Amino acid sequence: AQSVAQPEDQVNVAEGNPLTVKCTYSVSGNPYLFWYVQYPNRGLQFLLKYITGDNLVKGSYGFEAEFNKSQTSFHLKKPSALVSDSALYFCAVRDISGGYQKVTFGTGTKLQVIP
Amino acid sequence: GAGVSQSPSNKVTEKGKDVELRCDPISGHTALYWYRQSLGQGLEFLIYFQGNSAPDKSGLPSDRFSAERTGGSVSTLTIQRTQQEDSAVYLCASSSQGPTTGELFFGEGSRLTVL
Repeated sequence: AQSVAQPEDQVNVAEGNPLTVKCTYSVSGNPYLFWYVQYPNRGLQFLLKYITGDNLVKGSYGFEAEFNKSQTSFHLKKPSALVSDSALYFCAVRDISGGYQKVTFGTGTKLQVIP
Repeated sequence: GAGVSQSPSNKVTEKGKDVELRCDPISGHTALYWYRQSLGQGLEFLIYFQGNSAPDKSGLPSDRFSAERTGGSVSTLTIQRTQQEDSAVYLCASSSQGPTTGELFFGEGSRLTVL
């Protein structure tokens, strides 16, 4: 079974400060890891993914995430937060063992960037 | 269209009625997912279709819920004898299959309100 944990329901950060949204995962095989963002009353949008290779992944809107296999983590980061980054962020994992493609999402973290 | 299309965008129904929600995935995407998002909640996996394989129905909450995917393309999620707890946003996503792909593309969702 695969699972994703986002330990923080909400993260508050001042505009211009660095932000981190935490994610840990559990899979039996090798993971594909994803971050998605959901703006109010909208569907989810893909931000970035880790498949293989460099542990530091860069994505849309200046976001990046670091894959840490020993800690089974994939935290989302941004050096300088913008008010427009305020949204709901979801971490997701896909266990690629045996070609199985089910994607499991975390419960989401609400990011509030304070002007 | 270029993206995942869902209809209706909003549906209000009376308790006990049946509803059908439609998803038109991105052309060529072999994987199709249904998720449910209740107010303030994360994404709850419902069902997953992959090509001609048997669907993974492990997330369907009760036998009132069913889904089909015709011709490997359009999918319909049917909820029979709706209950108030079925009120949620139902999200559809599609994905291509491959070693360097894997992100899901989401529709805008169908908001279901059961009175």
